Amino acid sequence: GEDVEQSLFLSVREGDSSVINCTYTDSSSTYLYWYKQEPGAGLQLLTYIFSNMDMKQDQRLTVLLNKKDKHLSLRIADTQTGDSAIYFCAESKGRGYQKVTFGTGTKLQVIP
Amino acid sequence: DAGVIQSPRHEVTEMGQEVTLRCKPISGHDYLFWYRQTMMRGLELLIYFNNNVPIDDSGMPEDRFSAKMPNASFSTLKIQPSEPRDSAVYFCASSLSAGGSNQPQHFGDGTRLSIL
Repeated sequence: GEDVEQSLFLSVREGDSSVINCTYTDSSSTYLYWYKQEPGAGLQLLTYIFSNMDMKQDQRLTVLLNKKDKHLSLRIADTQTGDSAIYFCAESKGRGYQKVTFGTGTKLQVIP
Repeated sequence: DAGVIQSPRHEVTEMGQEVTLRCKPISGHDYLFWYRQTMMRGLELLIYFNNNVPIDDSGMPEDRFSAKMPNASFSTLKIQPSEPRDSAVYFCASSLSAGGSNQPQHFGDGTRLSIL
């Protein structure tokens, strides 16, 4: 079955880089997502990557995918206090298969 | 653009009462999802619809839970009778299937439900 795992907590200093890691078990995953959840709000899509890509960069965000190890990471450069939130990794098989499996979420705390 | 709209934002009610949560998906989206989020279990998919038809309700915890989608712009999640262990944040999300490619889900701000 599908399983997506993340560490629960990460603390970084403002201005440093943050790296949030995720592992998944379903080798047929086609799309891998990163969502951000701020307090009292729903999940907001940050970025996503197709499984045939190794890397995707979007401003301060860099997503790295190691398909062999089924490992996904999200790097946030120059982390700001506004980046404090819970970050969810998620995967789906794509191609019209809309069910998405979410990880447990990593709470990022940015220390000023 | 209006996003996914959920109501109410907060609901506090006594055990045994019926609870109805509402969701308006993004116009044009053909998939709708109901999730429950708790500290213990994280984010759980309860049920999802495609073109108003329930596709997978395997995540619905018990017969006390039911969901309907009478039209493309409205869905409800009902709990009857409610129990304290149903206390959670309930999210609705919608997405668009386009030519077989997957489109990301867009979430509402959730309904925080407390059953006393």
